Amino acid sequence: DAMVIQNPRYQVTQFGKPVTLSCSQTLNHNVMYWYQQKSSQAPKLLFHYYDKDFNNEADTPDNFQSRRPNTSFCFLDIRSPGLGDAAMYLCATSMDRVWGYTFGSGTRLTVV
Amino acid sequence: GQQLNQSPQSMFIQEGEDVSMNCTSSSIFNTWLWYKQDPGEGPVLLIALYKAGELTSNGRLTAQFGITRKDSFLNISASIPSDVGIYFCAGTVLSGYALNFGKGTSLLVTP
Repeated sequence: DAMVIQNPRYQVTQFGKPVTLSCSQTLNHNVMYWYQQKSSQAPKLLFHYYDKDFNNEADTPDNFQSRRPNTSFCFLDIRSPGLGDAAMYLCATSMDRVWGYTFGSGTRLTVV
Repeated sequence: GQQLNQSPQSMFIQEGEDVSMNCTSSSIFNTWLWYKQDPGEGPVLLIALYKAGELTSNGRLTAQFGITRKDSFLNISASIPSDVGIYFCAGTVLSGYALNFGKGTSLLVTP
């Protein structure tokens, strides 16, 4: 089945230690997104790639970076995780702006 | 992002009852999406609406894109225990890629 796959499902990292979350998709969608979702809140967009073009949301901290080496893969890098970065990180894809907007199962990040 | 007002915040119902929830916006949206999220999982798309006035069903679920383009509702008929979860409305405006989410409706269904 075509889908959005996130690895790992659970990630524990130390305060200040860089961490990378990964996302892959078999939908061949041209747009990939990273959302942050904190407990009991709605997901919040961090940034997205339209093809190779990176688009950062205005209020996304510099601590968060992303890479998209090819159509299928996208990575979220957190350079120096703080306790406040503990959250569920959701990858999503779509064709152009909204068609087939699909989320992965998420990576739950814990910072210790 | 655009503010979406989703109501009710939570619902506690008995199995077999019908459920209705809605979202409103102060801005015009060109897409409305309804998602269900189980604990520890990503949101799963239930229904996507792309045209004002559109009424779409997916099994026991029905959703409509309001004709003013500023609202949408989701109905669930004959609820069952596996309907338990958080339901989010989400939408996009013409100028952006981000999904603007409502705050969610938490649904509990008792057998």
